[in-house]
Amino acid sequence: NAGVTQTPKFRILKIGQSMTLQCAQDMNHNYMYWYRQDPGMGLKLIYYSVGAGITDKGEVPNGYNVSRSTTEDFPLRLELAAPSQTSVYFCASSNRGPPYEQYFGPGTRLTVT
Amino acid sequence: GEDVEQSLFLSVREGDSSVINCTYTDSSSTYLYWYKQEPGAGLQLLTYIFSNMDMKQDQRLTVLLNKKDKHLSLRIADTQTGDSAIYFCAESMIGAGSYQLTFGKGTKLSVIP
Repeated sequence: NAGVTQTPKFRILKIGQSMTLQCAQDMNHNYMYWYRQDPGMGLKLIYYSVGAGITDKGEVPNGYNVSRSTTEDFPLRLELAAPSQTSVYFCASSNRGPPYEQYFGPGTRLTVT
Repeated sequence: GEDVEQSLFLSVREGDSSVINCTYTDSSSTYLYWYKQEPGAGLQLLTYIFSNMDMKQDQRLTVLLNKKDKHLSLRIADTQTGDSAIYFCAESMIGAGSYQLTFGKGTKLSVIP
């Protein structure tokens, strides 16, 4: 199993541009998550999904959108990129039942200038 | 609301034991987790403990849970330079949203050769 994969690894965007961060998992997990990690700030949940067709906002959803058309894929869309969205983005997935441990992808480092 | 707190830095000599501490505020926690993040990588699950346990041991890792004080610790025996990383404590809560984890800000462990 590849686990959780993310593309791209790095990206530089200009202010106002848009892009989609891709995330896929091959573990047949129902739950998927998007986090951002800023230096010294830990992980903040952006959006999550409990299954195909179902998404919900996390702690910091503004400026982002998600969709979940399949169990495997959970893309994160940035519209009108702003410097405040410069961060490292992690996708994760977990099983439906306990112990609910989350498995993380390698991350996408995004810089908005 | 829930909150997970950790000290930001810990420095130990190679061969010594490391103890990373975490406090949490929600007494409804079900599972508590320790993740490791190496530079430029995603989070890797190290171990987890169910809230009705006091201790869990896995090779060089020992997790201690004091529910009365809401204190969780991770002890790494015979610390090696490869253990240098950021360690995150996380908790999940009982009930709807059990699959959502709350993370601490991470403790950066530096191992001195």
